[in-house]
Amino acid sequence: SYELTQPPSVSVSPGQTASITCSGDKLGDKYACWFQRKPGQSPLLVIYRDTMRPSGIPERFSGSSSGNTATLTISGTQAMDEADYYCQAWDSSTVVFGGGTKLTVL
Amino acid sequence: EVQLVESGGGLVQPGGSLRLSCAASGFTFSSHWMSWVRQAPGKGLEWVANIKEDGSEKQYVDSVKGRFTISRDNAKNSLYLQMNSLRAEDTAVYYCARHLVGVITFDYWGQGTLVTVSS
Repeated sequence: SYELTQPPSVSVSPGQTASITCSGDKLGDKYACWFQRKPGQSPLLVIYRDTMRPSGIPERFSGSSSGNTATLTISGTQAMDEADYYCQAWDSSTVVFGGGTKLTVL
Repeated sequence: EVQLVESGGGLVQPGGSLRLSCAASGFTFSSHWMSWVRQAPGKGLEWVANIKEDGSEKQYVDSVKGRFTISRDNAKNSLYLQMNSLRAEDTAVYYCARHLVGVITFDYWGQGTLVTVSS
């Protein structure tokens, strides 16, 4: 079965750039999406189709994908961005999520 | 405003059954694929099943095939998940999620309903 791998945690200082990676076999040939998950809230879609940002998502959120890796980048990270982030892709009629990355804004 | 409201969760013994429901409003329900996604305690998100706009296609994660059935009633704007032969590892918060049109991802989620499988 297809697997997506994320680092368990990433730390960033306020105002700096955070990068969260998601690795999977030939992930660049599929579409990757990213969700933000804060405690007590439902997941929020922040990036779809590798680079697209839904309406209402701040421009500081961006995505890229190439080869086996998709990356979520948060520029000028704010305290409110502290959350768990999950990547997601689709393979062989199955939706797959990564294990999640806890972003800490120190 | 798009709203998805799940119900039907609760405590059930191993081997038992539950039927989850998701009431949708604020959008044309029959125009969207829909999914169930779950999150077990302390674990990440796991997709469970999805269903095409007209109900003609359904897909499941391997761990629930043969035990869970997804269905929908477009006249009632409702999504369902019939869960049979429940196991302890099915314990999770179950979310109803709307697919973004033309993309296999989810743009709206409900608040979730807790299913606990325990004796």
